[in-house]
Amino acid sequence: NAGVTQTPKFRVLKTGQSMTLLCAQDMNHEYMYWYRQDPGMGLRLIHYSVGEGTTAKGEVPDGYNVSRLKKQNFLLGLESAAPSQTSVYFCASSYPGYQETQYFGPGTRLLVL
Amino acid sequence: SQQGEEDPQALSIQEGENATMNCSYKTSINNLQWYRQNSGRGLVHLILIRSNEREKHSGRLRVTLDTSKKSSSLLITASRAADTASYFCSRPSGTYKYIFGTGTRLKVLA
Repeated sequence: NAGVTQTPKFRVLKTGQSMTLLCAQDMNHEYMYWYRQDPGMGLRLIHYSVGEGTTAKGEVPDGYNVSRLKKQNFLLGLESAAPSQTSVYFCASSYPGYQETQYFGPGTRLLVL
Repeated sequence: SQQGEEDPQALSIQEGENATMNCSYKTSINNLQWYRQNSGRGLVHLILIRSNEREKHSGRLRVTLDTSKKSSSLLITASRAADTASYFCSRPSGTYKYIFGTGTRLKVLA
């Protein structure tokens, strides 16, 4: 099993450009999450999904949109990138209920100039 | 901020020594988890401790939870250079979400 994979690994954008980050998991997990990690800030939740076709806002959702059209994929979109969105983005997935463990992808490093 | 507070922020020890890091939180929880993050990588789950447990072991890891003090500690015994990483505590926030602390950066010197 590949676990949680993220595409791309690294990207440079200019202010105002758009892009989509892809997260895929092959563990049949119901829940999926997008976090951003900034120095000294820990991980902050952007959006999450508790099942195919459902999404919800996290702690820092502004400037991002998400979609979960298939259970195994969770997409994070930046419609008009800003320098403040320079960060490392992590996707995670988990089973609902008893097993609260989250499985993380390797991250996408995004630089917005 | 609702994030957990970990201390110390950074810790440097010699190989073979024990490393202790702490996590404090503000609201009641039913479980708390610890994760490790190697440089440039995603987080990896280490151990989960439930609110009715006081101590849990996994290999060289020992986690304690004191719900009265709203704090947890992670002890790594006989540390190795490969233990160099950042360590995060995480707790549930609502039904589906989790809050992560800001982490402790551990450096183990060979």
